[in-house]
Amino acid sequence: GAGVSQSPSNKVTEKGKDVELRCDPISGHTALYWYRQSLGQGLEFLIYFQGNSAPDKSGLPSDRFSAERTGGSVSTLTIQRTQQEDSAVYLCASSPSGGSEEQFFGPGTRLTVL
Amino acid sequence: KQEVTQIPAALSVPEGENLVLNCSFTDSAIYNLQWFRQDPGKGLTSLLLIQSSQREQTSGRLNASLDKSSGRSTLYIAASQPGDSATYLCAVDFNTGNQFYFGTGTSLTVIP
Repeated sequence: GAGVSQSPSNKVTEKGKDVELRCDPISGHTALYWYRQSLGQGLEFLIYFQGNSAPDKSGLPSDRFSAERTGGSVSTLTIQRTQQEDSAVYLCASSPSGGSEEQFFGPGTRLTVL
Repeated sequence: KQEVTQIPAALSVPEGENLVLNCSFTDSAIYNLQWFRQDPGKGLTSLLLIQSSQREQTSGRLNASLDKSSGRSTLYIAASQPGDSATYLCAVDFNTGNQFYFGTGTSLTVIP
């Protein structure tokens, strides 16, 4: 596609449920990033994938959060046993080969945990 | 601790004015710095990327400068237009190559 796409655009869930958020990076981009933007706060780095290398998970806030990237393309961010503090906009970005190149962002998924 | 700060948090100007948005960061050893705009309910749109070896980048009415020694970057917008109204975010890669650290943004309103 022409840009980074994310689905769903909005997700409302009940506390304690699991959710999956999807990101389709720009075709050919080997680097993929997940960020979280909470209300009134800046973007917070969550996880980084680069090719076949082990992902940098240093930003994941707890073990309820996990992410995978299948076939070096699509990525899924999973949040287990969601809490109200998980409510935020989750943004995905990709870049051609990582290493601090320009990042291109998707429109985000707005997650609301009731 | 690596931090990015943007001041002011909000700015309102009349149409046609030139304006400067400020970004400061705590560590001068950076890979690069990127400016984004974010419209309400939307993702981020990349505006300019400045590599650590560069001092400025220009795109149309936008000019971004980088002074690593003082830990500062500015985004200059010439002849502002109502369509420039958005939140402007500064992001810095502190030599990790893996992630950007973001400021909390400056919310710009250009009044017609």
